[in-house]
Amino acid sequence: DIQMTQSPSSLSASVGDRVTITCRASQSIRNYINWYQQKPGKAPKLLIYAATSLQSGVPSRFSGSGSGTDFTLTISSLQPEDFATYYCQQSYSISVIFGGGTKVEIK
Amino acid sequence: EVQLLESGGGMVQPGGSLRLSCAASGFTFSSYAMGWVRQAPGKGLEWVSGMSGSGGNTYYADSVKGRFTISRDNSKNTLSLQMNSLRAEDTAVYYCAKVPSTFFQGSFDYWGQGTLVTVSS
Repeated sequence: DIQMTQSPSSLSASVGDRVTITCRASQSIRNYINWYQQKPGKAPKLLIYAATSLQSGVPSRFSGSGSGTDFTLTISSLQPEDFATYYCQQSYSISVIFGGGTKVEIK
Repeated sequence: EVQLLESGGGMVQPGGSLRLSCAASGFTFSSYAMGWVRQAPGKGLEWVSGMSGSGGNTYYADSVKGRFTISRDNSKNTLSLQMNSLRAEDTAVYYCAKVPSTFFQGSFDYWGQGTLVTVSS
């Protein structure tokens, strides 16, 4: 199975900061990676699909990059509503795998 | 508006069974693959099972293979998950999620609110 290693597992940041979250696949997954945001007690929300495509309705401060094995989710200017946990997910293989998550907390 | 509404969660003893349902609306249900994703208390997301839009292809995580069965009724816009031989480690919130393709590959673009399954004696 493809493994997804997400880092960091948590980070503290201030409003207005640029935040970067990384996901590394154990083998090439081309651009088959998606990113989700989850707030406490809520269902995950799709932010980015196919590595770089912004889901409809998602603010443009969110962006994704990468291909092959190394991928990045960037929040260009952190807003109060962005404090949440973020997950990557590979969809290259049928056996769906999520990264371990990154909790973004207020500094 | 796409809506996914799970039901059927609850408390069950180890070794018991439970059937989850997901009522879908706001889209042509039979045209899209669907899946189940769970989240144990305080833990990350774990994919459980998926099914193509036609229902002809089913997929399972190794952790549930042989114990869980996914099914769908495209005439009733309903996705189901039959869970047998439940274990304590199956305790989680179970989410129903839609795939933006008839094939089970890609992202999960819409999610239900989740239903809690607790396996405990």
